Amino acid sequence: GENVEQHPSTLSVQEGDSAVIKCTYSDSASNYFPWYKQELGKGPQLIIDIRSNVGEKKDQRIAVTLNKTAKHFSLHITETQPEDSAVYFCAAPKAEYGNKLVFGAGTILRVKS
Amino acid sequence: SAVISQKPSRDICQRGTSLTIQCQVDSQVTMMFWYRQQPGQSLTLIATANQGSEATYESGFVIDKFPISRPNLTFSTLTVSNMSPEDSSIYLCSGRGAGTDTQYFGPGTRLTVL
Repeated sequence: GENVEQHPSTLSVQEGDSAVIKCTYSDSASNYFPWYKQELGKGPQLIIDIRSNVGEKKDQRIAVTLNKTAKHFSLHITETQPEDSAVYFCAAPKAEYGNKLVFGAGTILRVKS
Repeated sequence: SAVISQKPSRDICQRGTSLTIQCQVDSQVTMMFWYRQQPGQSLTLIATANQGSEATYESGFVIDKFPISRPNLTFSTLTVSNMSPEDSSIYLCSGRGAGTDTQYFGPGTRLTVL
């Protein structure tokens, strides 16, 4: 089955700096990779996703890159702001089980002002 | 994006009792899922809620403990039965639209079992 490993588990950055979170997956058939942001007391919010036919996708200060050969994908947040502080989860589908998502362990991002 | 709501948002329950959580999704959603998120942990899939038939449970989860209903396309319930303190978690409803990979989550139900 699909294993999704996420690093680092915690990340502290100074406001304005960039943050990078990396995930690796095991199922080479996986073709969809979402990132979720979960603020305290709330449900996960989809912030960006990428499909396997592209290598990079950007949305303002957020970008995701995908390396299918190495089976890893990364979330990049530039010009971090205090409101970026949250827990971030990557996920990948279990292709052989109808694309049910398997989640990484999560990264606690703290942006210090 | 799909709109997903859950009730209750939180509850404190006594051990041995049961709690039913409701999930309402908008019409864009065709697949519905229930997840558990233990304190400080990641999301674990409990089951897929199937419309008009028995839910499909993941390894480690059984129908007797987590009965699920989905009487129509936009509504599902998860019951946590015979609760123990180990059931204290956030329970999340999630939905995905037809022909899409995009999956959205509800706000969660925070359950504390004493």
